[in-house]
Amino acid sequence: QKEVEQDPGPLSVPEGAIVSLNCTYSNSAFQYFMWYRQYSRKGPELLMYTYSSGNKEDGRFTAQVDKSSKYISLFIRDSQPSDSATYLCAISSGSARQLTFGSGTQLTVLP
Amino acid sequence: DAEITQSPRHKITETGRQVTLACHQTWNHNNMFWYRQDLGHGLRLIHYSYGVQDTNKGEVSDGYSVSRSNTEDLPLTLESAASSQTSVYFCASSGQGANEKLFFGSGTQLSVL
Repeated sequence: QKEVEQDPGPLSVPEGAIVSLNCTYSNSAFQYFMWYRQYSRKGPELLMYTYSSGNKEDGRFTAQVDKSSKYISLFIRDSQPSDSATYLCAISSGSARQLTFGSGTQLTVLP
Repeated sequence: DAEITQSPRHKITETGRQVTLACHQTWNHNNMFWYRQDLGHGLRLIHYSYGVQDTNKGEVSDGYSVSRSNTEDLPLTLESAASSQTSVYFCASSGQGANEKLFFGSGTQLSVL
């Protein structure tokens, strides 16, 4: 079993839809939860960062962490074609060398 | 603006050849990392360095080596390229802060024939 599981998709939605992206993890020692966005032929860039359970909101993006279920989510409201990218969850127990990435979910938002 | 650059962007080589991928960052970050990205596997850590003269093995280090002679550069060497090393390689760097934000380069697409 992988330490971090992420549905690879692909996921295709119409513009304006609410998108839900999810990851599950197995190691309860994980404390830091991140979402990276990766456009085609580019390196990943940090989108959201959370520590501990709860929600964190940044504009149209909300990151949610449920440590009791070992489940993290990224919600995108009013999705735009510019949101089309691969989204990777990344989880750490405290140091960058222990950062574990999900395999990524490819999202396409259709105009 | 500070940045992290990788070269070349694309490389085709033959099995058994030595290949070196370059990574240069101007963030003045102590921490540098090399990842490979393959379909279905996400990003996997190859090697990392926490400072000059410091190098460490990651999850998939067999067949790869790195050296850190200055803060800005962390070249990745494939000693004897194998077809299984065909992949997209990403270099990343981070500062010392607790949030461990990684800044990634644009990647090198390596094909081993």
